Amino acid sequence: ETGVTQSPTHLIKTRGQQVTLRCSSQSGHNTVSWYQQALGQGPQFIFQYYREEENGRGNFPPRFSGLQFPNYSSELNVNALELDDSALYLCASSSAAEAFFGQGTRLTVV
Amino acid sequence: AQSVTQPDIHITVSEGASLELRCNYSYGATPYLFWYVQSPGQGLQLLLKYFSGDTLVQGIKGFEAEFKRSQSSFNLRKPSVHWSDAAEYFCAVVETSYDKVIFGPGTSLSVIP
Repeated sequence: ETGVTQSPTHLIKTRGQQVTLRCSSQSGHNTVSWYQQALGQGPQFIFQYYREEENGRGNFPPRFSGLQFPNYSSELNVNALELDDSALYLCASSSAAEAFFGQGTRLTVV
Repeated sequence: AQSVTQPDIHITVSEGASLELRCNYSYGATPYLFWYVQSPGQGLQLLLKYFSGDTLVQGIKGFEAEFKRSQSSFNLRKPSVHWSDAAEYFCAVVETSYDKVIFGPGTSLSVIP
């Protein structure tokens, strides 16, 4: 157990819809990152939040956005869902360069 | 740009046999290196990490890895594989400027009884 929890565990959305994924970070960690893992691939960095500010972003379009709250929990929002957005979305909280991952949210876009 | 390669997409070993999974990285500074394991449909579990010091690091479940700077490698080893080790293994390097984890493509391990 890493202390990082994600919700929901699974969900199915229709192309064009919007989705919000949630993450509670490990106690004491003020940095949260989100990753997308397509089937059969390694996780790809989406973005990171540090103390409620975006602190880095990978090669993802603006329809991927996020928030971090004062308690360091976080949300990942994806607008205008596309079929290729179907993936496992992983949240990680980090401290001193070590990341602790949640179990992920499996998003299926139909 | 930082990157991680894992030359073996899929490996099959017999239970009880030894295992070595290869990992090569490209990183300008001293890397922080990790191995993660992922069972089907699950999140990532940290097996071991290297930050500095002794180049042979021990991890959980009997795994170890050796950092070789001259070869830019961080290979994962286990002397005797168990059927429960069947999973996907990811090598990763952390871009320390902001804790961004860069993953390799993964190696899928199958274990034959």
